[in-house]
Amino acid sequence: DAGITQSPRHKVTETGTPVTLRCHQTENHRYMYWYRQDPGHGLRLIHYSYGVKDTDKGEVSDGYSVSRSKTEDFLLTLESATSSQTSVYFCAISEGGVGGTQYFGPGTRLTVL
Amino acid sequence: TQLLEQSPQFLSIQEGENLTVYCNSSSVFSSLQWYRQEPGEGPVLLVTVVTGGEVKKLKRLTFQFGDARKDSSLHITAAQPGDTGLYLCAGAPGNQFYFGTGTSLTVIP
Repeated sequence: DAGITQSPRHKVTETGTPVTLRCHQTENHRYMYWYRQDPGHGLRLIHYSYGVKDTDKGEVSDGYSVSRSKTEDFLLTLESATSSQTSVYFCAISEGGVGGTQYFGPGTRLTVL
Repeated sequence: TQLLEQSPQFLSIQEGENLTVYCNSSSVFSSLQWYRQEPGEGPVLLVTVVTGGEVKKLKRLTFQFGDARKDSSLHITAAQPGDTGLYLCAGAPGNQFYFGTGTSLTVIP
């Protein structure tokens, strides 16, 4: 199994509060991704990173920001959480670029009340 | 509208039956991947198809990439309860990776 951990695994928060999710990898892969998964939508890309301090927006980036100050860590921040951001968030890594095989973390279930 | 549409969205069958899941797009892909996701876990890669018309077999699972590289199918022969899960196709037509809408398969013993 790829060495990917996510924290926290579960979080309940209130509308308007900031939330940060952490993804940590031990594989030294260059590419890291944040997805959200909602019923009927599969997984949708929020942001991705192709190196330290190099990030780009995905399909559903509004309301989210990311940071990558070290190869092993990729942070996803919801500056002011809304109920529409209730979802399961997955982090993934890949070695071979955007089209390469993706290895996923265990997910974080976020509920915004 | 999502870039990769899968059908059916839900499928419930008896053990031993055959089934086919479809993944369609209007975009051309250099390759398509299929993942399976079990409850509470992240998706895991099953296969990557690269060449138009390519057929790959993984035990009882057969994957086909369309000739025009816009669609793919997954056929399962003699489904077993262990095949239960969410099946996702995925690919990158440009510089972003997209997942399909998913097919939730339940195989009843």
